[in-house]
Order: sequence, then C-alpha cells, then structure tokens
Amino acid sequence: DAKTTQPPSMDCAEGRAANLPCNHSTISGNEYVYWYRQIHSQGPQYIIHGLKNNETNEMASLIITEDRKSSTLILPHATLRDTAVYYCIVRVRNSWGKLQFGAGTQVVVTP
Amino acid sequence: EAGVTQSPTHLIKTRGQQATLRCSPISGHTSVYWYQQALGLGLQFLLWYDEGEERNRGNFPPRFSGRQFPNYSSELNVNALELEDSALYLCASSPRDPKAWDIQYFGAGTRLSVL
Repeated sequence: DAKTTQPPSMDCAEGRAANLPCNHSTISGNEYVYWYRQIHSQGPQYIIHGLKNNETNEMASLIITEDRKSSTLILPHATLRDTAVYYCIVRVRNSWGKLQFGAGTQVVVTP
Repeated sequence: EAGVTQSPTHLIKTRGQQATLRCSPISGHTSVYWYQQALGLGLQFLLWYDEGEERNRGNFPPRFSGRQFPNYSSELNVNALELEDSALYLCASSPRDPKAWDIQYFGAGTRLSVL
C-alpha cells in the first residue's frame, strides 16, 4: 500500500470549513484513498473514500487531485464534535483486510 | 442497529497471565478484525477472520491468537502477557460482500493493562 503524509496537527474554528491535506505521491492506479477518524477513547470511524473522482457524503467531501498524488478531506462546517485524529489511508480494494493507519492529523476545533 | 460490541471494557492482568477479549460484530457482518493501539505506536493490525477462518495476520508473535465462532463473534487470546501488551484492543467488522471489506466498523475497544 502507498505511504501517506499528513500534518501532525491543525486547528479549526467552529463553524468554519476544515481542510485536511494528505500526500500520497506514490499511489498506484488501483489504490483508493480512505479517510477514517478517531475521537478520543473511541474506535475509528469511516468517513469517506474515493478513487479519482471527488466524493461527497453527509459527513464530508473528498477532493482528489487530477494526478492523484494528493487529496483533501473537507469538513464543511466543523463542530466541536469533529475534534479527532483523522487518518488518510491508501490501499488496494479488498487487499487482505488490514487497514494500515499512520499517525494521522490531530484536528482541534475551537469555539 | 447495534454496533460492534466488545467486552470487557477494561481488563487488568499480571505478567505471564492469559487474557481473553471478546467481540460481537454488527448483525450480518461476517468479517472480524483485531487491532492493537499501544501508546506511541498507533493502530497496528493484528488479525482478520472471515467465515470462521483466519485470513490474514499482522506482525505479532504466536502468543496472540484468536478464533471466530459460527455466529461470527470472535475472541482474541493473548498468552504469556508482557508489560508491552498493555494497549487498547479494537475490534472491527465488515459485511459479507468483499466489495465492502474496506469499510470497517469499529467497537469502542478493550483497555488491557498488564501489571
């Protein structure tokens, strides 16, 4: 699976959009980008995933660059409950079960 | 719909003992995954069970083992506990459809403390 690089931390004001970058410059053509988050003392939670097209669901939007070497997770209106560690994971679909979590980005949403 | 449930919430053991952790997947899910989250080491993949069979294993010693029962619930056993086994153990499940294996639903975890 391709390696990802995320900033260790970022702050965001409540009500504003949070834009979380992820670099995956070695991504291959059959690898998807997945985002999970882990709120303190809870298990990780799936957010969204995509291959090359931009994706949106009720939680967030995922913007993948045309060359697929980086992506951005957008939380459109951050709330205090969005404070969590966000993980960007790149992997081939159905690749033997395991998710390879990196260090992620600690996002703190402030009032 | 009930989520992934894990028991116990907390477990305290001493070095050399055995620990058994339990996981009940979401109804209809056949795959169960185990992860270890130790302080400073992040989330590490341990084991994957599907339809009662071990499908994949992370880089952990053999004293970490498990099984999946016919009702798809799972146990993780850790033998000969060491201090560094202290961690949060997370269980996740995913549906029967291989196309959905990548979306894993996690429980709240079992906090294992080895004294």
